[in-house]
Amino acid sequence: EIVLTQSPGILSLSPGERATLSCRASESVSSSFLAWYQQKPGQAPRLLIYAASSRATGIPDRFSGSGSGTDFTLTISRLEPEDFAVYYCQQYGSSLFTFGPGTKVDIK
Amino acid sequence: QVQLVQSGPEVKKPGASVKVSCKTSGYSFDTFAIGWVRQAPGQGLEWMGWISGYNGNTHYAQKLQGRVTMTTDTSTSTAYMELRSLRSDDTAVYYCARVAALAEFDPWGQGTLVTVSS
Repeated sequence: EIVLTQSPGILSLSPGERATLSCRASESVSSSFLAWYQQKPGQAPRLLIYAASSRATGIPDRFSGSGSGTDFTLTISRLEPEDFAVYYCQQYGSSLFTFGPGTKVDIK
Repeated sequence: QVQLVQSGPEVKKPGASVKVSCKTSGYSFDTFAIGWVRQAPGQGLEWMGWISGYNGNTHYAQKLQGRVTMTTDTSTSTAYMELRSLRSDDTAVYYCARVAALAEFDPWGQGTLVTVSS
């Protein structure tokens, strides 16, 4: 089973700053099957990025994804107040899915 | 638009079973799989398994093998997740989500809170 590790666990930033979130896999992941989600309190997760770098429908272009192999990154270019939330990466391989433990982006 | 609507909250005693439904609309049910994910209070997302909307094939997370069963009713475009022998650590919000073309979960149901308590 592929294990995903996310860092940092908590990222404290101010609105307007750039956020860089990391997702590292225990073995190589197909870039086609790496996704990122945003979750706010009391809400279901929302798909942000799929196939490592493709934005989902309706997602602002301040969100971008990159990476390959075992190292992937979600970047929020300029944090808006509504971006403070928890972010999860997720991978698929060999009929199994795994999620990372999440990174909380909170207001500094 | 694509929608997944889940059944309401449940309270169960330890050892009981729960069955959560996920009614889909807005797309051809047999074209996509449905995944199930749970989230314990204050914790992260845990993948439970998925079921093909086409032929009902299932894949379960190893830790739940033997306690979970996922099924579909294609006549009503509804997916079901049954969890047996409930324990207190099964208390969680249970989500269904459509598994899209590149194995991303989109969209998600609203979640169903299952509370296991004596």
